[in-house]
Formats: sequence, structure tokens, C-alpha cells
Amino acid sequence: GAGVSQSPSNKVTEKGKDVELRCDPISGHTALYWYRQRLGQGLEFLIYFQGNSAPDKSGLPSDRFSAERTGESVSTLTIQRTQQEDSAVYLCASSLLAGPTDTQYFGPGTRLTVL
Amino acid sequence: AQSVTQLGSHVSVSEGALVLLRCNYSSSVPPYLFWYVQYPNQGLQLLLKYTSAATLVKGINGFEAEFKKSETSFHLTKPSAHMSDAAEYFCAVSESGATNKLIFGTGTLLAVQP
Repeated sequence: GAGVSQSPSNKVTEKGKDVELRCDPISGHTALYWYRQRLGQGLEFLIYFQGNSAPDKSGLPSDRFSAERTGESVSTLTIQRTQQEDSAVYLCASSLLAGPTDTQYFGPGTRLTVL
Repeated sequence: AQSVTQLGSHVSVSEGALVLLRCNYSSSVPPYLFWYVQYPNQGLQLLLKYTSAATLVKGINGFEAEFKKSETSFHLTKPSAHMSDAAEYFCAVSESGATNKLIFGTGTLLAVQP
């Protein structure tokens, strides 16, 4: 079946511009995660959605970052007034449930470059 | 707080040689551990996971990992490396709690020499 998809695959923007990244999770998956992967570093958690529960935003690095999810479908991550340190690969993952052993399936990521 | 340490950011082996990628964890509760692989320009793919059912976990592509509580380790091994194994490998621990987010190590880039 279809996996997690993300768009765009690459985004180049100028410092100060806003960007919106999209994630389509696997159909039926209730949990959705956003992670950021900066060059030479591991993935860092950004935000988590589970069904209709309030999202866990504890990993968002600043108030310039926000994310939304409509029900159990598409999610968008928005970065306002982008800075060069926002350059990274943004990865989305979904899992059927949100238990500690549930496998998270990752999308191919969006590579964001802020000039 | 839980954490994961991967020793060796770069590992190079010859084709046919043993692959050993190291992962140590820190956790105050029984951990759930994962190994993911990332091929160039692709997302992460699950290799295997430890869920406390068995300490020796077998995964895809001939990889396996052994959970050793006394050593707080979860090293990844493969008896014989193949050229197609060249990729970046990430160890992760599932944070116990409401979100069960994954906490990742910094990754190990595996090169396989012919």
C-alpha cells in the first residue's frame, strides 16, 4: 500500500519568508510525528498528533514553528520568518497507534534550504 | 530522561566482513529500542525493534541485534556485509509516556568496500 508521502521534496527559500510543508500519513494511522534532521545530527522530535487529542508541541524550537492536522489525515508544518538555522530535512512519520512499540513509518522528507 | 549514544559516526567494512554498529542507551525504565536504516535520499526504514519479548531480535536484510541490560547496549550486527548495506543507521529509544516519540542517536554511516 501507499506509504507516507511528503511535499515538496525540496524547498529553497529566502531568509524571512514563510514555508509550508505537507505530510500525508498512511491511511488509518492515528498517530503522526514531525522530526527534524540537521546535517550531521540525529533526528529531533518536533510535534505529535494523536486522533483528536491536543498535540504535543514540546519539541517545537520556537514560536515561528506551528503545525496542524485535520482529523487523522494530512498535516502541515509551517515555519514563519525562516532563518538559516532552520535549514534541515523535515521528516514526517505515522503509526497505526501510539504505543511505545508501535512502528513509526517515515516519509522521504522535505529538504529545506534557507538562503 | 532517556538517551541513545552511537559510537562511531563512520564505520567502514569490506564486503563479506562482519558488520557491528554500536548503540548504548540510558533509561530509567525498561526501554523499547529500534534500529532504522536510511538509504541516500530516502526516508527511514525500520530494521528491527526490541519490545522485551526476546533479547535477540532478528530484522530484515540479515541484520540482528541483542539487548543486553547489564551493558545497556543494543548493538546491530550482520555476519557478512553486502555492498547494498551502505547507508546510515540510526538507533532510537521510544520515550515512555503520552507521545512515545522516538529519541534518536546521531547515526552511523556505514561504508562497504569491495
